[in-house]
Amino acid sequence: NAGVTQTPKFRVLKTGQSMTLLCAQDMNHEYMYWYRQDPGMGLRLIHYSVGEGTTAKGEVPDGYNVSRLKKQNFLLGLESAAPSQTSVYFCASSPMGGGPQETQYFGPGTRLLVL
Amino acid sequence: DAKTTQPNSMESNEEEPVHLPCNHSTISGTDYIHWYRQLPSQGPEYVIHGLTSNVNNRMASLAIAEDRKSSTLILHRATLRDAAVYYCILRPNQAGTALIFGKGTTLSVSS
Repeated sequence: NAGVTQTPKFRVLKTGQSMTLLCAQDMNHEYMYWYRQDPGMGLRLIHYSVGEGTTAKGEVPDGYNVSRLKKQNFLLGLESAAPSQTSVYFCASSPMGGGPQETQYFGPGTRLLVL
Repeated sequence: DAKTTQPNSMESNEEEPVHLPCNHSTISGTDYIHWYRQLPSQGPEYVIHGLTSNVNNRMASLAIAEDRKSSTLILHRATLRDAAVYYCILRPNQAGTALIFGKGTTLSVSS
């Protein structure tokens, strides 16, 4: 089991460019999440998905779009990157979502720098 | 959402026990207490969770106060690999809620 993997590990973008971050999990989990972590801060939820074909907004969704076409993949898109989106992005998955005993499994992160 | 309060940082020596405190005075009766940790340059990692009773697993122990207004994560013998940011998170009994990460406690371990 690879668990949760993220592609790419690091990327530099210019303001206005677009890109897609890929998250893949091989644990057959229903729920998947995208978080961002700014320096010295905790993680904040961007979007999440409760199953294939469904997505929902989190705490900081502006400037991002997501898609969950396959159960194992969750894509995070930046249509027009801004310097404020410079951050480390973490993907997570869980077998059940939102319940009080839910455990989330995190990927290694994607470090994004927007110039 | 109920809030947690943790010290910004703590230090420990290798091989010694570490007690990481968390205050959650506004916890509701059905909130679970979760702990995650984040090693340097890695994603967060689940450590342990509990509701009322103390809990043990291979990584740590969780001691929950009788009034549930505080809890303590116990690492029985700290190793250098335990140096990380430790997050105490409350999970309500409600579907569709996200993990809410605060700033956590940065644990330093010295040899």
